[in-house]
Amino acid sequence: DTAVSQTPKYLVTQMGNDKSIKCEQNLGHDTMYWYKQDSKKFLKIMFSYNNKELIINETVPNRFSPKSPDKAHLNLHINSLELGDSAVYFCASSQATLMTGNTIYFGEGSWLTVV
Amino acid sequence: ILNVEQSPQSLHVQEGDSTNFTCSFPSSNFYALHWYRWETAKSPEALFVMTLNGDEKKKGRISATLNTKEGYSYLYIKGSQPEDSATYLCASSGNTGKLIFGQGTTLQVKP
Repeated sequence: DTAVSQTPKYLVTQMGNDKSIKCEQNLGHDTMYWYKQDSKKFLKIMFSYNNKELIINETVPNRFSPKSPDKAHLNLHINSLELGDSAVYFCASSQATLMTGNTIYFGEGSWLTVV
Repeated sequence: ILNVEQSPQSLHVQEGDSTNFTCSFPSSNFYALHWYRWETAKSPEALFVMTLNGDEKKKGRISATLNTKEGYSYLYIKGSQPEDSATYLCASSGNTGKLIFGQGTTLQVKP
């Protein structure tokens, strides 16, 4: 049973399209995240939700919109995809916020390629 | 130090060698230091979360130490095995609640 699962794993799409990546966690955690692996391979935080409320919103284009219908799900919707959006996107979750030193659990990543 | 920095970037060792990597992080407003093991095409897997200065943690042949006053952590692998080959990430969380990752140290263990 995968703890943090995200779909799709691979996505190839054309510039200008709108796409979503879904994430679900079955760990009963309160906090969920989206990370992006940048071109230099760093994992960088994009968004974080705690109990369905947005608590971290990094400087990302507003074409990226997270949605958390409930504590177990955090989806990432991307409008008007651009070539530079090609990256690996990781969903993650933790019991509470990281200010309490909790372990964060990652999904396997979604490889997005924009052509 | 403003960012999380790891060294070396990559490391090749022979099976049976012991090795260690360094993670440097901002010592101000420190909350926790995380170590992850990341194999290609898999999820990063949590190894340790450390919060206290002087903390030492161990998991099998892997151990880690933490110095929050000077802002560094060491990860040690004793008697490296080929299955230890992976990228080892460290990340620091401060009072912003964000986890800031280093670039990782990629370890390759040759049989």
